Amino acid sequence: DGGITQSPKYLFRKEGQNVTLSCEQNLNHDAMYWYRQDPGQGLRLIYYSQIVNDFQKGDIAEGYSVSREKKESFPLTVTSAQKNPTAFYLCASRFGEGEQFFGPGTRLTVL
Amino acid sequence: GEDVEQSLFLSVREGDSSVINCTYTDSSSTYLYWYKQEPGAGLQLLTYIFSNMDMKQDQRLTVLLNKKDKHLSLRIADTQTGDSAIYFCAEGGLGGSQGNLIFGKGTKLSVKP
Repeated sequence: DGGITQSPKYLFRKEGQNVTLSCEQNLNHDAMYWYRQDPGQGLRLIYYSQIVNDFQKGDIAEGYSVSREKKESFPLTVTSAQKNPTAFYLCASRFGEGEQFFGPGTRLTVL
Repeated sequence: GEDVEQSLFLSVREGDSSVINCTYTDSSSTYLYWYKQEPGAGLQLLTYIFSNMDMKQDQRLTVLLNKKDKHLSLRIADTQTGDSAIYFCAEGGLGGSQGNLIFGKGTKLSVKP
């Protein structure tokens, strides 16, 4: 089955820790995206990558980092510099001008 | 910059029609999309419309596009309790944001039995 997966589904972090959220796709899509979703805020773009070994900051990149070493994978690290990281994180991928396909999301909670 | 606006809430009775409205600013968008998000899940594409179309119908879903007013609507006929979710409008294409999709904040549809 082709699709996009995110892990873990739930993640708990202590203050001051870095955590990495996984996103993998086997759709052969070039573009991948990370969004943050807060209640009533809709989706806010954190980082995106149009091609392997290249990525761009979105609207709210501060406190986050990404890498794109493989076409299939686009992990997101939430660093200790992110002051309010508790949120629902969504990964997506896209082929050309087509629709974005979304993963099931990771809910991150800071304890 | 590009922007997409939606009302945040809509409440209907089971069996009625629901109409969710959206306005956008980027006239160069190639496609306009409607996504559905159920609680705790990712977004699923419901339907989309190419920018040179006025209407698209897909079973219970009807999408209307008024390109002059940059207004998009999604009509759900015979709304069921399973339609309760958040609905996102999005615009996209090579015209804006390096081809990234721009999403509205989502309309939460509540269906009362």
